[in-house]
Amino acid sequence: ETGVTQTPRHLVMGMTNKKSLKCEQHLGHNAMYWYKQSAKKPLELMFVYNFKEQTENNSVPSRFSPECPNSSHLFLHLHTLQPEDSALYLCASSQDMGTNQPQHFGDGTRLSIL
Amino acid sequence: QKEVEQNSGPLSVPEGAIASLNCTYSDRGSQSFFWYRQYSGKSPELIMSIYSNGDKEDGRFTAQLNKASQYVSLLIRDSQPSDSATYLCAVTESGGYQKVTFGTGTKLQVIP
Repeated sequence: ETGVTQTPRHLVMGMTNKKSLKCEQHLGHNAMYWYKQSAKKPLELMFVYNFKEQTENNSVPSRFSPECPNSSHLFLHLHTLQPEDSALYLCASSQDMGTNQPQHFGDGTRLSIL
Repeated sequence: QKEVEQNSGPLSVPEGAIASLNCTYSDRGSQSFFWYRQYSGKSPELIMSIYSNGDKEDGRFTAQLNKASQYVSLLIRDSQPSDSATYLCAVTESGGYQKVTFGTGTKLQVIP
């Protein structure tokens, strides 16, 4: 496989459920990102990891918990989500944290909270 | 609060015409600028990056950057129906490390 792969592609869950989103990149990159994309809003950066270390937590509620076991894998653990958390969750990676490095995105997980 | 502004559109152009997409940004110290294309239900796909003032051409795409005016644009020549998508402008904030601010995107419709 190549690029950035996200699973599952679609997820429907109740507010009391616990689920996890998975992201894997096959690009040899060292930085990984979680974004939230809602209708009519710009992409919102949630978390940044560089060489497995979290470098950014953009005031994200604690019901979202990231995990980065190595530079190729990134998880987003979800629990007791709210209806307003329904959105497209995108994972991205870049070679490093240099400002000239473009980010490459996965296809996203479409999350619906009942 | 760093901002990246784009007209949400839709911008409608006939097939074969030039589509011009514009973006302004608030962080005067921004160094890197990217254009992504996002088809409905798909992820953003990088199509152009530009780092210095002037024009950068890649096939039918030309990115233009004017840092003094804090303005970046994307021109698509010989527009095709397959170019119909939302185009996201992304700007890396100043500060020495990568933190990217995205615009809301401009929806482009190429009419056959």
